[in-house]
Amino acid sequence: NAGVTQTPKFRILKIGQSMTLQCAQDMNHNYMYWYRQDPGMGLKLIYYSVGAGITDKGEVPNGYNVSRSTTEDFPLRLELAAPSQTSVYFCASSRVGAGANVLTFGAGSRLTVL
Amino acid sequence: LAKTTQPISMDSYEGQEVNITCSHNNIATNDYITWYQQFPSQGPRFIIQGYKTKVTNEVASLFIPADRKSSTLSLPRVSLSDTAVYYCLVGDAGNNRKLIWGLGTSLAVNP
Repeated sequence: NAGVTQTPKFRILKIGQSMTLQCAQDMNHNYMYWYRQDPGMGLKLIYYSVGAGITDKGEVPNGYNVSRSTTEDFPLRLELAAPSQTSVYFCASSRVGAGANVLTFGAGSRLTVL
Repeated sequence: LAKTTQPISMDSYEGQEVNITCSHNNIATNDYITWYQQFPSQGPRFIIQGYKTKVTNEVASLFIPADRKSSTLSLPRVSLSDTAVYYCLVGDAGNNRKLIWGLGTSLAVNP
């Protein structure tokens, strides 16, 4: 199994550009998450989804949008990129129930906004 | 929300046992305690999860006292490859979107 796959691994954007970070999981997990991690810091939740068609904001949602049309995919859209969005982005997934705190993470997408 | 407190950094040597303690004084009845490991430029990786007493798997042990206000991750005989940041998280499995990731404990294993 591939687990959680994120693309691209690296991207440089100019201020004001938009892009989509892709995330796919093949574990049939209901829950999916997008986090960002700034240097030397812990992870901050941007958006999460408890199933196809259901998404909700996390701690730092401003400047981002998500959709969840299938169980497998959870893309993160950055509109009008700003330097403050320079970060490493991690997608994760988990199952429901007692295992819901056991998150499987992707390898990360490093984004630089210049 | 159960906030956790853990040491910012620890140093050890190869072959030693490392114990990292996490405080979570306001842990709720339904909360589980979960530990993750993160290497530079990688996503966190699940290590171990517990609710009470002791849990052991092939890589670590987790000790949780009866009052559950703290927990200790024990790494037996560490090697250089165990150098990483270790995060302690506390949360209700039904509300895991509210998991708070602190700064973690940066463990340095020296030769």
